Amino acid sequence: DAGITQSPRHKVTETGTPVTLRCHQTENHRYMYWYRQDPGHGLRLIHYSYGVKDTDKGEVSDGYSVSRSKTEDFLLTLESATSSQTSVYFCAISEFGQAYEQYFGPGTRLTVT
Amino acid sequence: RKEVEQDPGPFNVPEGATVAFNCTYSNSASQSFFWYRQDCRKEPKLLMSVYSSGNEDGRFTAQLNRASQYISLLIRDSKLSDSATYLCVVNINYGGSQGNLIFGKGTKLSVKP
Repeated sequence: DAGITQSPRHKVTETGTPVTLRCHQTENHRYMYWYRQDPGHGLRLIHYSYGVKDTDKGEVSDGYSVSRSKTEDFLLTLESATSSQTSVYFCAISEFGQAYEQYFGPGTRLTVT
Repeated sequence: RKEVEQDPGPFNVPEGATVAFNCTYSNSASQSFFWYRQDCRKEPKLLMSVYSSGNEDGRFTAQLNRASQYISLLIRDSKLSDSATYLCVVNINYGGSQGNLIFGKGTKLSVKP
């Protein structure tokens, strides 16, 4: 299994609070991604990174920001959490680029009350 | 037309059966195709990439039909452990970059004794 961890694995927070999710990889892969998965939807890309300090928006980026200060870490921040951001968040990595195989972390279940 | 479409199932089959899933995609310029499996409350895991000539991995066979814009996954001699949701994944490139992976909503397979 790819060396990807996510923290926290579960979180319950209140509407309006900031939340930061962390993805850590030990594979030294250049590309990292944040997805959310909701019932009735496929995995949807939030943001991705193609290198340290290089990030770009995905399909559902509103309300989210990201940062990547080291190759191994990719942070997802919800500046002011809303109930619509209740979801399962997956981090993924890929070695060669966006169109290539991606490997996923175990996910974070976030509930916003 | 949705970018990546799959029959949601569920497909309920007995052990030992052969089952096939199809997936259609909308972007004729797509270059990368994958099947992932996802167990309940777990992360997606890469099952296999799909190559133009078709490819096989043990009991699993994947095929690509570019003319009709669909990919298929055939599972022979189904095992109880094959029970999962199978995700069709295609890269969608609207020009200028590699394009991102788009995940179908998944087809649920349940293999019964």
